[in-house]
Amino acid sequence: DVKVTQSSRYLVKRTGEKVFLECVQDMDHENMFWYRQDPGLGLRLIYFSYDVKMKEKGDIPEGYSVSREKKERFSLILESASTNQTSMYLCASSFVSGGSSPLHFGNGTRLTVT
Amino acid sequence: AQSVTQLGSHVSVSEGALVLLRCNYSSSVPPYLFWYVQYPNQGLQLLLKYTTGATLVKGINGFEAEFKKSETSFHLTKPSAHMSDAAEYFCAVSEGYGQNFVFGPGTRLSVLP
Repeated sequence: DVKVTQSSRYLVKRTGEKVFLECVQDMDHENMFWYRQDPGLGLRLIYFSYDVKMKEKGDIPEGYSVSREKKERFSLILESASTNQTSMYLCASSFVSGGSSPLHFGNGTRLTVT
Repeated sequence: AQSVTQLGSHVSVSEGALVLLRCNYSSSVPPYLFWYVQYPNQGLQLLLKYTTGATLVKGINGFEAEFKKSETSFHLTKPSAHMSDAAEYFCAVSEGYGQNFVFGPGTRLSVLP
């Protein structure tokens, strides 16, 4: 089974802090994604990456950046955390491009910014 | 542009009753369609997917969904609800390029004893 591991289940950070959310997958997947999940809004794509050192903006990239130095690891960075970034963050990976390969999700990181 | 609508943000059924969760999509090309389930404080787990071929797709935990192109629908059903089915369910569509998945807002399923 594919395993996508997010380093923290719960995080509490202060406004203005730099925050790193880490995600590792163990199935040699090319594609990796970061979503945020908010009640009533479903999942919204922040960034995705289809190869090492490659990244593409999703629907809501403002206030975020990403890093993919190794194939298995995809990091989401909040340069200066704000209260409106309090949310559930979900990392996902998939095998091939083309859309038919499903996403495999981690268990999520619930971030609270105070 | 792709979009997904799920009718009913909250659905309640009795244990043993039919589960029907509705999903309609819009897509400019033949889509790939997915249903995911999310249990409390967990990530999303794939229930089933439609890519090509048979339009009735069977998934895990007794769920199935039927792709109806003329109705642009991909409704999820289960003949008999179990208490363990209580969760949030997400329908998603992908048009097959750029790995651009679009998710619906989700439907919370409650199962009453």
